[in-house]
Amino acid sequence: DAKTTQPNSMESNEEEPVHLPCNHSTISGTDYIHWYRQLPSQGPEYVIHGLTSNVNNRMASLAIAEDRKSSTLILHRATLRDAAVYYCILERSNYKLTFGKGTLLTVNP
Amino acid sequence: SQTIHQWPATLVQPVGSPLSLECTVEGTSNPNLYWYRQAAGRGLQLLFYSVGIGQISSEVPQNLSASRPQDRQFILSSKKLLLSDSGFYLCAWSVQRQGAYTFGSGTRLTVV
Repeated sequence: DAKTTQPNSMESNEEEPVHLPCNHSTISGTDYIHWYRQLPSQGPEYVIHGLTSNVNNRMASLAIAEDRKSSTLILHRATLRDAAVYYCILERSNYKLTFGKGTLLTVNP
Repeated sequence: SQTIHQWPATLVQPVGSPLSLECTVEGTSNPNLYWYRQAAGRGLQLLFYSVGIGQISSEVPQNLSASRPQDRQFILSSKKLLLSDSGFYLCAWSVQRQGAYTFGSGTRLTVV
């Protein structure tokens, strides 16, 4: 399975933007880039996904590098409710997501 | 709208007892279905996935099995639970390559 690399943890202040990086140098042309987040004792929650172009939705933005070997999840204004573990995952054509360790985001009030 | 139901929410079972966890999806047809497990303080591990009725792929050899008797029903089973089977079990569904994977609320299993 395609591997992604994320920082173990990051910190942000409330109401400031957060940029969560992800490296995926072995990505292939048909791999989708997914982001999920997980709060303690809950199932992962879908955040955003994309293939080549940058994507925006009500939760976040996904910026994908031109060579697709890295991506950045952008939370435009962090809130305390955004504190979670964020997972960057490549979805291959075998229709399954393989989770890594993710980034623990701490949001300071 | 699509919903996913997973039960029970919590379960305490003795070692050696059987297990059956059920997951059902509503509002979609022919979904891909998944079982994940998360041990305490660990990441999510994909256990099984299914792209159709009766089609099960196992990711990790273990004490568990999965079945898909109906299009929107996915069952995780064990004949004899081990202590190491304790964890947070999550069911999920997706429509292939069309977007979000949706996770259930999970079952916390404690084997004693």
